[in-house]
Amino acid sequence: GIQVEQSPPDLILQEGANSTLRCNFSDSVNNLQWFHQNPWGQLINLFYIPSGTKQNGRLSATTVATERYSLLYISSSQTTDSGVYFCAVEETSGSRLTFGEGTQLTVNP
Amino acid sequence: SQTIHQWPATLVQPVGSPLSLECTVEGTSNPNLYWYRQAAGRGLQLLFYSVGIGQISSEVPQNLSASRPQDRQFILSSKKLLLSDSGFYLCAWSSGIPIYEQYFGPGTRLTVT
Repeated sequence: GIQVEQSPPDLILQEGANSTLRCNFSDSVNNLQWFHQNPWGQLINLFYIPSGTKQNGRLSATTVATERYSLLYISSSQTTDSGVYFCAVEETSGSRLTFGEGTQLTVNP
Repeated sequence: SQTIHQWPATLVQPVGSPLSLECTVEGTSNPNLYWYRQAAGRGLQLLFYSVGIGQISSEVPQNLSASRPQDRQFILSSKKLLLSDSGFYLCAWSSGIPIYEQYFGPGTRLTVT
């Protein structure tokens, strides 16, 4: 099956800093999503981005499908951005998401 | 708008007892439905998915089973829980073709003692 690798596994920032999270995947995909898992465990949809670039406030994401990677940018980070960020992909041959292991982000005041 | 519900939110069960977790979706019809488990640590593992009533695909052979008795209802069950069944169980739905975006419920935290 498809492999999904996220980096870095852990990231600690000061409030106001910018960061880039990376997701590499091993095969062609129909779907790529970025999620934020909050401290209560809820998975919050950030982006549905199988290709191209999208922006939502301080967050933006870019997927380069031909090179099999996606990037999530967080600008002017806030303490509420803390949590685990997951990348998940759906193979062209399947109908289910394969998750990376996530990036644990801690934003300190 | 669409809403996904899961219950219970938390559950503590002894080893060997049965399990039934329920997931329902509102505001859509014929969704694809999914059960995931998140063990200690971070990764999510797909357990089951369903593209229609009575259609269940199992991703990982284990102590659990799933059923879809109604279009928007997905149930995760076990006849006898194991310690290794502890974890955070998440239900998700997607509308399918042409957009495959999945949306997750609030989850059930299961502790088997």
